[in-house]
Amino acid sequence: DAGITQSPRHKVTETGTPVTLRCHQTENHRYMYWYRQDPGHGLRLIHYSYGVKDTDKGEVSDGYSVSRSKTEDFLLTLESATSSQTSVYFCAISELGVNFGYTFGSGTRLTVV
Amino acid sequence: DQQVKQNSPSLSVQEGRISILNCDYTNSMFDYFLWYKKYPAEGPTFLISISSIKDKNEDGRFTVFLNKSAKHLSLHIVPSQPGDSAVYFCAASESGSARQLTFGSGTQLTVLP
Repeated sequence: DAGITQSPRHKVTETGTPVTLRCHQTENHRYMYWYRQDPGHGLRLIHYSYGVKDTDKGEVSDGYSVSRSKTEDFLLTLESATSSQTSVYFCAISELGVNFGYTFGSGTRLTVV
Repeated sequence: DQQVKQNSPSLSVQEGRISILNCDYTNSMFDYFLWYKKYPAEGPTFLISISSIKDKNEDGRFTVFLNKSAKHLSLHIVPSQPGDSAVYFCAASESGSARQLTFGSGTQLTVLP
């Protein structure tokens, strides 16, 4: 979707290295989310943000941290990547009055070797 | 413990026939439900939603039914088209949850020409 972009689209990294994924939006939406998609689990919430510098943990937050210093950017950091963090990561945005309809980015495929 | 369950990983139907995708939930606090569609290498896109104050919502070929007593919802697609082939995710949210969505594991729908 044109209003939300994720970078990089693909990344291969080694176990133990730090990795940062970026989500950028041009919609000025208040809420931003990071999900991971794994076979048999669907989409699981990692962290979310309800405003600049306001973030909270989701269902599977262990091993991940986030930062939101500007409305448009939401960063997801894996401090020390592990093979269990190999996944497809999706960022989403949402706003009040939009009936919970998220707009998702195209995803980042991360492989930890 | 999955709060939103899609027990059928896959479903195949003939073009022109009805597709019925099912979803069950366990959290009685959920009061808003959504369906998302996902094509390979793309992010999920919002399809249709329903509030717990309704039992049916229709949008063109797509209808969502909600049975609160059974904690069950279903998505009907009539008539099914080959372009409907995708993974369908059921999602649920509760008021005051910072708009977090809890997703099911998804159902791969294949519409055969």
